[in-house]
Amino acid sequence: SQTIHQWPATLVQPVGSPLSLECTVEGTSNPNLYWYRQAAGRGLQLLFYSVGIGQISSEVPQNLSASRPQDRQFILSSKKLLLSDSGFYLCAWSVNGLGSYEQYFGPGTRLTVT
Amino acid sequence: AQSVTQLGSHVSVSEGALVLLRCNYSSSVPPYLFWYVQYPNQGLQLLLKYTTGATLVKGINGFEAEFKKSETSFHLTKPSAHMSDAAEYFCAVSEKGGRALTFGSGTRLQVQP
Repeated sequence: SQTIHQWPATLVQPVGSPLSLECTVEGTSNPNLYWYRQAAGRGLQLLFYSVGIGQISSEVPQNLSASRPQDRQFILSSKKLLLSDSGFYLCAWSVNGLGSYEQYFGPGTRLTVT
Repeated sequence: AQSVTQLGSHVSVSEGALVLLRCNYSSSVPPYLFWYVQYPNQGLQLLLKYTTGATLVKGINGFEAEFKKSETSFHLTKPSAHMSDAAEYFCAVSEKGGRALTFGSGTRLQVQP
């Protein structure tokens, strides 16, 4: 069966510090991968998605970036965090190709920027 | 462009009462529709989905939803609420052939004893 991991689970970082969040998927090949942010009391905002290694699409302009160095690894980064980057970050995967496109979510990372 | 509207950011029901969470969508093509549940500080879990075929779909934990094309709705129901149903629920839409899901803003369900 497929599983998705995210780490760290929680993170407290000062403004201006760098960020690296990691997501890995097991049990499937060539998945679509997604990063979402969920701010307090708000819905999910799609940040990035990837259909393959090195192929990243950005949905919103921001100081965040994403990379996919391996087929089942997706990394969210920032060079300098802002207070507004605080939130709950969720990674998700879906089957790549014909299908019903449901997404499966990881457990999330709670980021607090102080 | 597709969009999702969830009516009611907070819904409160008594234990044993009917649960009804509303979702309306906008899509230029026949959509795929999903309901997800999120418990505090956890990721989202797929409850059910509509792709094609039968318009009444059953999911986990006794939930079901009905796709009504004429009303562009996909409301989530459960006949009898349980305390463990307290969570946030998200409706989402995907256009066939697309990859991204568009989520509604969520409905927080509170179950009173």
